[in-house]
Amino acid sequence: EVQLVESGGGLVQPGGSLRLSCAASGFTFSSHWMTWVRQAPGEGLEWVANINQDGSKKNYVDSVKGRFTISRDNAKNSLYLQMNSLGVEDTALYYCARDLAGVGALDIWGQGTMVTVSS
Amino acid sequence: QSALTQPASVSGSPGQSITISCTGTSSDIGGYNYVSWYQQHPGKAPKLMIYEVTNRPSGVSNRFSGSKSGNTASLSISGLQAEDEADYYCTSYASSNIWVFGGGTYLTVL
Repeated sequence: EVQLVESGGGLVQPGGSLRLSCAASGFTFSSHWMTWVRQAPGEGLEWVANINQDGSKKNYVDSVKGRFTISRDNAKNSLYLQMNSLGVEDTALYYCARDLAGVGALDIWGQGTMVTVSS
Repeated sequence: QSALTQPASVSGSPGQSITISCTGTSSDIGGYNYVSWYQQHPGKAPKLMIYEVTNRPSGVSNRFSGSKSGNTASLSISGLQAEDEADYYCTSYASSNIWVFGGGTYLTVL
């Protein structure tokens, strides 16, 4: 079964850090661009970052540049999002998603992991 | 990196057809044929419905179709069914290697 499973979310104080993980199974992970998308409670979807197949290309939305780092380990079929200097505005459900063909077609999504930034 | 503009809500009766618009600029929708549409039911992950403006992934009903004219993309749903009631989001490639989502449209099936 093709599947993505996120983990690592939780409650963190403003200024803190978290590392999200996304475990992939059922497909050739190393063949796909991967993306993180977040959704604040009651709000819409926001594209956060993506990474190409070998990890050499990484892109970020302006609001997280310099604070978040996307990475992957193809040997472990895993995607990561290191989040530093977290603010209340980063509170959201974070989804990892597979890009079908490198054209922004996110065809496989995980169930999401919740990040809450609060004092 | 402004969000794409979608109507907050649309509605239709079972069997009818509706269209959801998604308006951007020449730097995103108008400049590239990389528009996708997602359906999201409450408490669920989004589901890809359309990609590259008009393409339907395997398993998506042919009642769903996409199009684009200038800086505006559209998602059309024909033969509305109760299970189509959900949030719908558009997304497009924008310049500088980033992607931008629309604010979302809630479809009510009356």
